This record gives sequence, C-alpha cells and structure tokens, in this order.
Amino acid sequence: GAGVSQSPSNKVTEKGKDVELRCDPISGHTALYWYRQRLGQGLEFLIYFQGNSAPDKSGLPSDRFSAERTGESVSTLTIQRTQQEDSAVYLCASRPLLTGQNTEAFFGQGTRLTVV
Amino acid sequence: KNQVEQSPQSLIILEGKNCTLQCNYTVSPFSNLRWYKQDTGRGPVSLTIMTFSENTKSNGRYTATLDADTKQSSLHITASQLSDSASYICVVSARPGGSYIPTFGRGTSLIVHP
Repeated sequence: GAGVSQSPSNKVTEKGKDVELRCDPISGHTALYWYRQRLGQGLEFLIYFQGNSAPDKSGLPSDRFSAERTGESVSTLTIQRTQQEDSAVYLCASRPLLTGQNTEAFFGQGTRLTVV
Repeated sequence: KNQVEQSPQSLIILEGKNCTLQCNYTVSPFSNLRWYKQDTGRGPVSLTIMTFSENTKSNGRYTATLDADTKQSSLHITASQLSDSASYICVVSARPGGSYIPTFGRGTSLIVHP
C-alpha cells in the first residue's frame, strides 16, 4: 500500500476483554515500531521489530501486552484483560532499515482504543 | 539516558503571527533530528530532518535550526495559519551502534486563533 495502515481505526471494548490491533507497514520496510499515546500526552515507545524479531520490547508496560510480526510485514499488538488505563491511541510506524539512520519513519493513523 | 525535552508545552498565537518552538536533547551518538507535525487524531508527519552538519532546514513556512554543540533545535513558524494548529514533536535518532529507537519529545501543542 501507499502508507502504513492500521486497523481498526477505533475500538471500544469492555474491561477484561482481549483486543488485537493490526499494523500493515509500507512494503519493504524492515523496521516497525509500536507507540502508545494517551490523551494529551507524548508518544510512548512500546516495541521495535527488526524483520520478524523484536530486539527491544522494553516499552511494553506489562505482560498483558504482546506483539508479533510475520513475513516481515504485518504486525499485531495484543492486549489481554484490558484495563481502563489501556485507553489510548496506538500508533504504528515503519521505515527502511538501511545502513544510515536518516530514513524517515512513516506513521499510520493509529487505533483509538477505549476500554469501558 | 537518551532524552528529548520540548518547550513550551503549549502555545496559543493569533493567525498571522510567528512563533518558535524549542527542543533540547541528550541523544548519543547523534545521527539526525526530525520535527514532526501531528494533527489531532492523525499520525505524525515529518516536516524537516537535519543531520550533524546541517544547522538550518526550511519547508515552506517552517524553518528548523540545529546547534549540535549545545544540542538544541528550534522550529520557527512564519505567518501562522489556522491549519498550523497541531502538536509539534521533536525526534532524535542515534547513529548505528546507538539505539535504533528514535527518542521522541512530548511535543508542543500549538493553537492558532483567528
């Protein structure tokens, strides 16, 4: 596709339910990032994929959060037993992983998650 | 620890006026600094990028400066328009050997009033 695509764009779920958020990065982009943005707050790093492996998971806030990536393409962020504090916009970004670090990261529109 | 600090946290200006947003960073080894614009409800979009050797970069009414010695950057917006209302995020990346995770500032929220 032309850009990073995220689905769903909006998700309302009941507390305690599991949710899956999907990210389709730009074709050929090796690096993929997940961020969380609470209302009025900055971007909070969650996890970074290089290909299908995740060398940095340090931002995942708890073991209820997990993510995977397959085919060096689609990534899924799963939140189990959702809590109200999980309500936020979840943003995905991708970029080519070239030898330099000057490549731009392109962001999706985000998934707005509301836990009620 | 890599950090990016932005100021002010929020700014309200009248349409047509100029403004300057600040970014201080402690990312090492430094590779590049980007300014992103994030409209409400949308993902961030890159405005400018500067590497170590560049000290100014323009994109229309947006002009970014970089002082690599003092580790400071600014984003100057000229003749502001209502559509400039957004969050402006400073993002600093490290060179290979450093972290592949860009370090994000918390952003400056700009509101342009008619």
